[in-house]
Amino acid sequence: AQSVSQHNHHVILSEAASLELGCNYSYGGTVNLFWYVQYPGQHLQLLLKYFSGDPLVKGIKGFEAEFIKSKFSFNLRKPSVQWSDTAEYFCAVRGATGNNRKLIWGLGTSLAVNP
Amino acid sequence: NAGVTQTPKFQVLKTGQSMTLQCAQDMNHEYMSWYRQDPGMGLRLIHYSVGAGITDQGEVPNGYNVSRSTTEDFPLRLLSAAPSQTSVYFCASSYGSGGAFNYEQFFGPGTRLTVL
Repeated sequence: AQSVSQHNHHVILSEAASLELGCNYSYGGTVNLFWYVQYPGQHLQLLLKYFSGDPLVKGIKGFEAEFIKSKFSFNLRKPSVQWSDTAEYFCAVRGATGNNRKLIWGLGTSLAVNP
Repeated sequence: NAGVTQTPKFQVLKTGQSMTLQCAQDMNHEYMSWYRQDPGMGLRLIHYSVGAGITDQGEVPNGYNVSRSTTEDFPLRLLSAAPSQTSVYFCASSYGSGGAFNYEQFFGPGTRLTVL
């Protein structure tokens, strides 16, 4: 079955700490991968996406993610987090070919950054 | 561009009442969808549409109806509200459906619905 697994449900960090949020997916075939962020009280917005090419993808606000095809992973990283990064982070995957374009979502990881 | 707009932002209903959540986008996107977001359950797809006149069910369609008479609008109807439908509802749109587009989904601000 197609699925997305985010390993950490809640993460608490201090400012300046490094961040890595895990995302693994189960999907047969070529995929498009996304990380979305939801700041408190706001709607979801795209952090970064992978479609093809360089597996290391850079997004907004200093975030990056690496697609490792052999591990079916797309982990999100940031070298030094800020208090303003407190948010919920969602990983999502979609088939890159065919007619099924629906996104499959992970359950999200809640990140709290202490000042 | 206003992007994706949703109304209302908050709504309280009594069990058995019906209502329509409005969603509109001004980006000429073909693909529109409705999600509900519940604690610990992430985003679940309710219904989606790949173009005007075409809709299909997502993971959790029961108790909801949709229609897509225009490219811009994609309303979600609750037929007879139940407490289990208490949730935050997000509408999203993207180019979708074909071609070399980036398929990024743009989300509306959400509607927080409480059913008593």
